[in-house]
Amino acid sequence: DGGITQSPKYLFRKEGQNVTLSCEQNLNHDAMYWYRQDPGQGLRLIYYSQIVNDFQKGDIAEGYSVSREKKESFPLTVTSAQKNPTAFYLCASSLDGGSDYGYTFGSGTRLTVV
Amino acid sequence: GENVEQHPSTLSVQEGDSAVIKCTYSDSASNYFPWYKQELGKGPQLIIDIRSNVGEKKDQRIAVTLNKTAKHFSLHITETQPEDSAVYFCAARVSGGGADGLTFGKGTHLIIQP
Repeated sequence: DGGITQSPKYLFRKEGQNVTLSCEQNLNHDAMYWYRQDPGQGLRLIYYSQIVNDFQKGDIAEGYSVSREKKESFPLTVTSAQKNPTAFYLCASSLDGGSDYGYTFGSGTRLTVV
Repeated sequence: GENVEQHPSTLSVQEGDSAVIKCTYSDSASNYFPWYKQELGKGPQLIIDIRSNVGEKKDQRIAVTLNKTAKHFSLHITETQPEDSAVYFCAARVSGGGADGLTFGKGTHLIIQP
């Protein structure tokens, strides 16, 4: 079955540590997105990518980095520069960035600073 | 850019009653409006969407209405059941534009009382 997989489901980060969240899709979608979700804040866009080897900052990119070396993969690194990283992170994909298609979301990664 | 407002933030209804969630958007060029359902600890799932060339769309107990003149759209759930309890997000986008994809509302927590 086609879908989008995020791993790990739970992740714990120590102060000053970088961590990488994985996102893989086998839907042959061109566009991929990372969102951060905090209680009462809805979904806030961190980074997005329309094609391989290209990505753009979203509304809250500071303290995060991404890469898009393969169409299927869009990993997110939460760096030590992100002062409040505890949140639920969602990856999504869509057929392309400009079409009338909804997103397919992964099941999320819950990141906690310890 | 697009701005999407969603109300109410929390909605409690008796099982069997109807629930209505409303969203307004700011960009008159927006023409694609999906709704997502997010269960606890999971990623959002697309439940219904509507494009600007229609005013209403139904899928069993779920319906969405769109008023382009007033720039608002609503989700209607009839004969609510316990499994309808979740957070619901509306979203909007301009077809062919907005490479950053969908703009989401902040979500409505729907509680179905037994």
